[in-house]
Amino acid sequence: DTGVSQNPRHKITKRGQNVTFRCDPISEHNRLYWYRQTLGQGPEFLTYFQNEAQLEKSRLLSDRFSAERPKGSFSTLEIQRTEQGDSAMYLCASSRAAYNSPLHFGNGTRLTVT
Amino acid sequence: AQTVTQSQPEMSVQEAETVTLSCTYDTSENNYYLFWYKQPPSRQMILVIRQEAYKQQNATENRFSVNFQKAAKSFSLKISDSQLGDTAMYFCAFIPTGTASKLTFGTGTRLQVTL
Repeated sequence: DTGVSQNPRHKITKRGQNVTFRCDPISEHNRLYWYRQTLGQGPEFLTYFQNEAQLEKSRLLSDRFSAERPKGSFSTLEIQRTEQGDSAMYLCASSRAAYNSPLHFGNGTRLTVT
Repeated sequence: AQTVTQSQPEMSVQEAETVTLSCTYDTSENNYYLFWYKQPPSRQMILVIRQEAYKQQNATENRFSVNFQKAAKSFSLKISDSQLGDTAMYFCAFIPTGTASKLTFGTGTRLQVTL
């Protein structure tokens, strides 16, 4: 169990650019979640996958955001035409399929949009 | 919709002392799970303790215990014998049972353990 891995750890980009983040979950976990955390706030749910299927998306996930998990393993989160309001920590978590299984979080990717 | 409220933005405790972090929640669900997560500075969030709402017995994990008051919708975390390594943000979180979906988090309490 190597834990949930996220890359990159930090990303600085100019407004209007596209960015992509990667998450590698714990290998035996078939659920994968993306959360966003802004300063002084708790994580806010963005979307989650069970295997390769994206089962729920938050209203926070505008059409500039897209997430994929093509083979049910790693996932990518892309933000197009970034805005300063997108600056946040993007957290990935994974869990087993049971509804009470705890989430295991990665270290997050901190995005700064200038 | 569920909401989770942590009314203490910051707390401080001396090493070896006991501290209690508060959490209240609002839900119309009868069955759910509650969690406390710890997020140390610049490190990943980890699960501290969880409670199943249908269990009356309060959960305990070593120095961490909860006081779960279902009728009051209260879920506080007690840390005994505080250690410097307990310094972190602590988040209370909620999920209804039977949903394969998202945790709802509170805004967090920043705990500083001092010498």
